[in-house]
Order: sequence, then structure tokens, then C-alpha cells
Amino acid sequence: DADVTQTPRNRITKTGKRIMLECSQTKGHDRMYWYRQDPGLGLRLIYYSFDVKDINKGEISDGYSVSRQAQAKFSLSLESAIPNQTALYFCATSEPSGRGVDTQYFGPGTRLTVL
Amino acid sequence: AQSVTQLGSHVSVSEGALVLLRCNYSSSVPPYLFWYVQYPNQGLQLLLKYTSAATLVKGINGFEAEFKKSETSFHLTKPSAHMSDAAEYFCAVSGMNTGGFKTIFGAGTRLFVKA
Repeated sequence: DADVTQTPRNRITKTGKRIMLECSQTKGHDRMYWYRQDPGLGLRLIYYSFDVKDINKGEISDGYSVSRQAQAKFSLSLESAIPNQTALYFCATSEPSGRGVDTQYFGPGTRLTVL
Repeated sequence: AQSVTQLGSHVSVSEGALVLLRCNYSSSVPPYLFWYVQYPNQGLQLLLKYTSAATLVKGINGFEAEFKKSETSFHLTKPSAHMSDAAEYFCAVSGMNTGGFKTIFGAGTRLFVKA
């Protein structure tokens, strides 16, 4: 079984709809992240959480919110989806290794299309 | 501030030829540098990382990268390309700074391997 799972894997929705993307991990890691990937832009950090009580904004958090329900679960919500949120979304986890040298482990991604 | 530039969005090599993927970084603090690989329809996985222990870093699948501070570079190489190396490769810089945790990914370089 995969260590980091994401549901759904694909989603098509309409402008204005509320969408939740879910991430679960069995690695036992405290740190979890949400990224979006756009062609030619690489990955950009949306939110990250270093433990259950810690939530931090990344570089592109506007229009998104997150919830860390447990150590193993980290969900990303789009309160009112818009077409420029069409992208590939990745969840990742890591163990703290000090000073930012964590290796991140990525889920398989969720392809979201907003019409 | 940290940034990463990957030179060339696409690189094409023949099977058995040298692979060279270029990455230059900018960082106001000692950088921690990573190369990740993304195979089609999968999440990213770590190839190798530089954590200041040794300037030549060996990774999985025969890849290695050399940290050159004077050139602010962290280029990825492999002596002999294999068809299975065809994928997208991302350079990343990571670390804690006054703005909090940051991982900055490059835009990615897609590697094509010709038979």
C-alpha cells in the first residue's frame, strides 16, 4: 500500500463549488504539505503543517484553506473554486531533520479541473 | 530570499549518452539542495540531496550532483542514459529563514531519451 494517498485522484467541478482534497499518510511523519503543480512553474507551496496544532501559509495560500484532522490526515479545501485553480495538487510528508533538510515524500497527486 | 533556475525545460539525449541537467540557485542562507524525479502520473521522489556534508552527492539510479558554491550551481549528471530515465526532474532549495519554512522548486526539466 502507498505511504501517502490522495483522494480523489481526478476531479472536475464548476466555478463556485466547494471542493475538498484529502491526504492520508501511514509514514508516521509529523510534517505535511500541500503543493500545486502548473506546467512551466514547478511546484508551489500552498500550506504546510509541522504538527497537528500547527498550520502555516505557503507562497500561494489565497483561495485555499486546510485542516489537520490528525497526524495522518491533512485536507485542502477550495471554498469557491475558480478556473485558475485548475492544476495538479500534491500532498507530501516529511520527518523533521533540522534546518530544512527534510526529504519530502509525495502522494500520487490529484488532478483538479475547474470549469 | 531563495530561488532556483533550471536551464532548459526540455533535454533530449540518446540512450547511453551523458545526461546533464542544470540547476542554479540563489540563497541568502546556506542552501540545502535537492533533486527530485517525477515519472508519468506519479508524485515526486527524491533522487539526492546536498546537506553540506560533501560537495559531490550520489543518488539513486546512477545519478549524482556536484555542489559548486562559486558557481551557485547544483547540476545533475548521469554517465549513461537509460530509456527508463525519461521523466521530469526538479531541482529544489529548502531551509528555514525569517519568513518560516521555504521549499522552492524549479520549473522542471523534462528528459527525453532516444533509442
